[in-house]
Amino acid sequence: GENVEQHPSTLSVQEGDSAVIKCTYSDSASNYFPWYKQELGKRPQLIIDIRSNVGEKKDQRIAVTLNKTAKHFSLHITETQPEDSAVYFCAASAFNNFNKFYFGSGTKLNVKP
Amino acid sequence: ETGVTQSPTHLIKTRGQQVTLRCSSQSGHNTVSWYQQALGQGPQFIFQYYREEENGRGNFPPRFSGLQFPNYSSELNVNALELDDSALYLCASSLGTPGGAGELFFGEGSRLTVL
Repeated sequence: GENVEQHPSTLSVQEGDSAVIKCTYSDSASNYFPWYKQELGKRPQLIIDIRSNVGEKKDQRIAVTLNKTAKHFSLHITETQPEDSAVYFCAASAFNNFNKFYFGSGTKLNVKP
Repeated sequence: ETGVTQSPTHLIKTRGQQVTLRCSSQSGHNTVSWYQQALGQGPQFIFQYYREEENGRGNFPPRFSGLQFPNYSSELNVNALELDDSALYLCASSLGTPGGAGELFFGEGSRLTVL
C-alpha cells in the first residue's frame, strides 16, 4: 500500500517568514495530493490540492509543488500569520482507488508574532 | 447545504464493550469514509462506503464494521474495545464516482476513550 512520510514534525517560524512542509509518497499510482489544516479540537479542512497532471498550484499565500519523478510534494506558505498556526497534513490518493486517502503524520506549525 | 455531522462528540467506554458512532454526510454526497486519528498522528483509513456497500478497507480488524444507509448516512461499529482504540474517529463524505477521487469533507469527529 501507499506510504506517505511528512517532515518536519514541528516547525516554528516568525510572523512574516515563509514555511515549507515536505511529503514523500511511495505509490506511483497516486495522483491526487491534498493538504489539510487542522486547528486544535477542530476538523481537518482542505486548504489546497494538486493533481498529478500539474507541477504547481498557488492560492494567495499558499502554494503546492509536485515532483512526480521523485515522488514528493511540498506545501509553501508565504508571509505567515499567527492564524496559520495549526497542524498540517498531506495526503495522497490514487484516481482508481476511489477516496482512500493516505495521510502523513502531520506538521505542527507555530507562527510567532 | 449542511455539512458532515457526527455523534456523539465524546464518549468513554471500557475494554470489551461495543460502540456505535454515527455520521450524516454532506448534502449530495454519496460516499462516506471513516478514519481513526490517534493523538499526534495523521488520520488512518478504516473503510469507505459507496452507495451502501463497503468499497475499500484499511488495515483494521473485522471487529471494526460499518453500514451506510439509503440516505448515505453511516455508522461505525467497534466490538470488543481495546485500549488502543482510544482515538478521534473522523467521518468524511465526498461525491464519489467509480474511478474518481474527490475532496473529503470531514466531520468534527467522535473522541472515544477506552478505559
